[in-house]
Amino acid sequence: EAGVAQSPRYKIIEKRQSVAFWCNPISGHATLYWYQQILGQGPKLLIQFQNNGVVDDSQLPKDRFSAERLKGVDSTLKIQPAKLEDSAVYLCASSLIPGGTLNGYTFGSGTRLTVV
Amino acid sequence: GEDVEQSLFLSVREGDSSVINCTYTDSSSTYLYWYKQEPGAGLQLLTYIFSNMDMKQDQRLTVLLNKKDKHLSLRIADTQTGDSAIYFCAERKNAGNMLTFGGGTRLMVKP
Repeated sequence: EAGVAQSPRYKIIEKRQSVAFWCNPISGHATLYWYQQILGQGPKLLIQFQNNGVVDDSQLPKDRFSAERLKGVDSTLKIQPAKLEDSAVYLCASSLIPGGTLNGYTFGSGTRLTVV
Repeated sequence: GEDVEQSLFLSVREGDSSVINCTYTDSSSTYLYWYKQEPGAGLQLLTYIFSNMDMKQDQRLTVLLNKKDKHLSLRIADTQTGDSAIYFCAERKNAGNMLTFGGGTRLMVKP
């Protein structure tokens, strides 16, 4: 099966600019996650969707970050305006059911964001 | 403090065994996972263990779980240079069913 697709792979922007990331999960996967991975750290959950509804966005900095999954398939994550500390890899993951099956989640390759 | 903690770095010689350790805090965690991340790549699931198990073996990988001490370890037998990567442990909590990751252990395998 095709994996989780993310684009772009890399993005460099200046602080205070806006940026958007796109994720296409594995077909049929109802649950979608966005994680932020800062260099040298483990991934941290930003938001979890179940179909097109938000399950958990408690760690999402809502003053600047937003995410949507309007049709319950693709998702976009937006940062507006970006700060230097937003430099990280943004990972999208999907799973068939919440919490993943026994095999956990399937991760995409991520989008590496550099804010200068 | 962090929910899941790992040591930062491990260096071994090719052919030796590697043991990567992890401690977690949530006793209600149902599954614990080990993921591997190579440079520029996403996370690849290596193995998992259910919380009512003590040990799981999968080819060169052995996972040990001490639920009393909330300690998880991953042993890689006959470590190869291709095993060089960052290894993350993760716990799946009952509440929310999300995965919480440790900070990762960078494994370096010297020829």
